[in-house]
Amino acid sequence: EAAVTQSPRNKVAVTGGKVTLSCNQTNNHNNMYWYRQDTGHGLRLIHYSYGAGSTEKGDIPDGYKASRPSQENFSLILELATPSQTSVYFCASGEYEQYFGPGTRLTVL
Amino acid sequence: GDSVTQTEGLVTLTKGLPVMLNCTYQTTYSPFLFWYVQHLNEAPKLLLKSSTDNKRTEHQGFYATLHKSSSSFHLQKSSVQLSDSALYFCALSGNNYAQGLTFGLGTRVSVFP
Repeated sequence: EAAVTQSPRNKVAVTGGKVTLSCNQTNNHNNMYWYRQDTGHGLRLIHYSYGAGSTEKGDIPDGYKASRPSQENFSLILELATPSQTSVYFCASGEYEQYFGPGTRLTVL
Repeated sequence: GDSVTQTEGLVTLTKGLPVMLNCTYQTTYSPFLFWYVQHLNEAPKLLLKSSTDNKRTEHQGFYATLHKSSSSFHLQKSSVQLSDSALYFCALSGNNYAQGLTFGLGTRVSVFP
C-alpha cells in the first residue's frame, strides 16, 4: 500500500508565527495534495501539485503557501498563523485514488 | 463547480443490521466516485471506487453502484459489525483527477451491540 508520512503529528503554534507542515511519499506519485478537516466541513482542498516545482491553489488557499521541492516532498506553509487555522491537516498522494498520511493536528493559540 | 451531498450526518444501528449511506453528486464531467472510511484518529482510507455506470463494486463486505442517471453512488452493507463504526466520506473526481477530490461532509456510523 502507498506510504505517506507527515511531520509533525501534533503542533501548537502562536498567532502570527510561521508554521511548516511536511509530507513525504515513497510511491513516486506525481500528484500530491493538502487538505484540512474540520467538523461540519469535511475535507477541503488547500493546495495541490502535479510534480516537483509545481504548486496549484485548491478551494481554500488563502493564508497558506505550498512548496514541492522534489517528487517525494510537499510542504504546507502558514506564514502568519491564525486561530482559524486550527485544524487537522492531511497530505495525500495519488493519481486517481488518493492515499492519505496520518494527519497533523495543529492548534494555533 | 462539483459538489457531493451526503444526507445523513449520523447513523446509529445495531450489529447485524443492514446499512445504506446516501451519496449524490453534481458535475458536468464524467464522474469518478469514491468512498473513504476514517476510523477515529486515523487517516481516511479508500473503501470503494467506480467510474462505470450501473456496475456494482464491492470491498470488505461493502458495495455500491454508480448510477449516472440519478447521479448517485450509495454505500451499502448487508450486516454491519462493531468495527464498521467510523466516518464515511463520499468523494468525486470530475474534470481532472489531478486537481483533487471533492468530498461530502461525511456520515458517522455508530454500531452498537
